[in-house]
Amino acid sequence: NAGVMQNPRHLVRRRGQEARLRCSPMKGHSHVYWYRQLPEEGLKFMVYLQKENIIDESGMPKERFSAEFPKEGPSILRIQQVVRGDSAAYFCASSPTVDTQYFGPGTRLTVL
Amino acid sequence: ELKVEQNPLFLSMQEGKNYTIYCNYSTTSDRLYWYRQDPGKSLESLFVLLSNGAVKQEGRLMASLDTKARLSTLHITAAVHDLSATYFCAVDMVGAQKLVFGQGTRLTINP
Repeated sequence: NAGVMQNPRHLVRRRGQEARLRCSPMKGHSHVYWYRQLPEEGLKFMVYLQKENIIDESGMPKERFSAEFPKEGPSILRIQQVVRGDSAAYFCASSPTVDTQYFGPGTRLTVL
Repeated sequence: ELKVEQNPLFLSMQEGKNYTIYCNYSTTSDRLYWYRQDPGKSLESLFVLLSNGAVKQEGRLMASLDTKARLSTLHITAAVHDLSATYFCAVDMVGAQKLVFGQGTRLTINP
């Protein structure tokens, strides 16, 4: 059983461009979570999704950030018009139910 | 608002010594987790603690939970260099499916 998969692993964008981060949960997992880790800090919750539903987006910035988990395909975290402060590692986690979350390898976003 | 605090934030120790990392949290929680993170890598799940008095051990690491004191400890016995990493505790918010993480403890074990 493959683990949580994220791509790309590294992403470089210039200010004002869009960043799309993808997450494929573990097989059989229907709950997906996104976290952001700034350098030298712990992870901060962003959003919790189930298939076709956003359950909790209390950690998402109000502007430029959006997330989806369609019926088919991976979950997508989208950042529009990126700024330097968006540079961070973005981790996706999945769980089968209300249970331990398993983390993917992360996408390291660098905004130039 | 649930807050999670770890101490110390940085710990440098000699191989063979014992030490403890502390994790305090501010409100009632369902579960407490310990994760390990190596530089540039993802988080590896170490322990899940579910109830008051829970104790779990894996190799040289032992984690415990006191829900009344809202305190968890991660104890390292006879440290070896391979345990050098950053250790995070994280807590579930009651009724919510999100983890609140501590700041992390960067552990360096010197030969």
